[in-house]
Amino acid sequence: DGGITQSPKYLFRKEGQNVTLSCEQNLNHDAMYWYRQDPGQGLRLIYYSQIVNDFQKGDIAEGYSVSREKKESFPLTVTSAQKNPTAFYLCASSIAGQLANQPQHFGDGTRLSIL
Amino acid sequence: GQQVMQIPQYQHVQEGEDFTTYCNSSTTLSNIQWYKQRPGGHPVFLIQLVKSGEVKKQKRLTFQFGEAKKNSSLHLTATQTTDVGTYFCLHSSNTGKLIFGQGTTLQVKP
Repeated sequence: DGGITQSPKYLFRKEGQNVTLSCEQNLNHDAMYWYRQDPGQGLRLIYYSQIVNDFQKGDIAEGYSVSREKKESFPLTVTSAQKNPTAFYLCASSIAGQLANQPQHFGDGTRLSIL
Repeated sequence: GQQVMQIPQYQHVQEGEDFTTYCNSSTTLSNIQWYKQRPGGHPVFLIQLVKSGEVKKQKRLTFQFGEAKKNSSLHLTATQTTDVGTYFCLHSSNTGKLIFGQGTTLQVKP
């Protein structure tokens, strides 16, 4: 089955530690996205990538970093500079970039908490 | 800057009642998408509207895009307990900026 796989499902971070969230898709989609969702709130865009080896900052990129070395993979690193990292992180992909207005397919998410 | 306001934030209905959520923009939208997120789950794409005045139906759901393309609505008839969750609108601006509405969380009392 085609889809998006996020791992791990739950992640705990110690103060001052960087952690990396995995996102893999086998949908052959060009575009991939990372969102953050806080309790009772909507989704906020962290980073997006419209093609391999290219990515752009979203609305809340500070304290996060990404890479897009392969079409299938778009890992997100939450750095120690992100002072309030506790949230639900969602990865998504679409056939083409956001300007093409394609539906987004989401993974099951990763819940990150501070120890 | 371009903003999308989604209302209401919460809606509690009795099973069988109807439910409507609205997304309103200060500027003209090129398109709008609607998603549903079940509790503890991830958003799932429902529909996309592109044309002025467009109306689309999916079973008990009716989606509308305003004539001026500044507002959109999702209307659900005869709610069931399985309809609970948060309904989001999403649009992209002319510059490609993605904007999600804040979401409307639906609770259905059996």
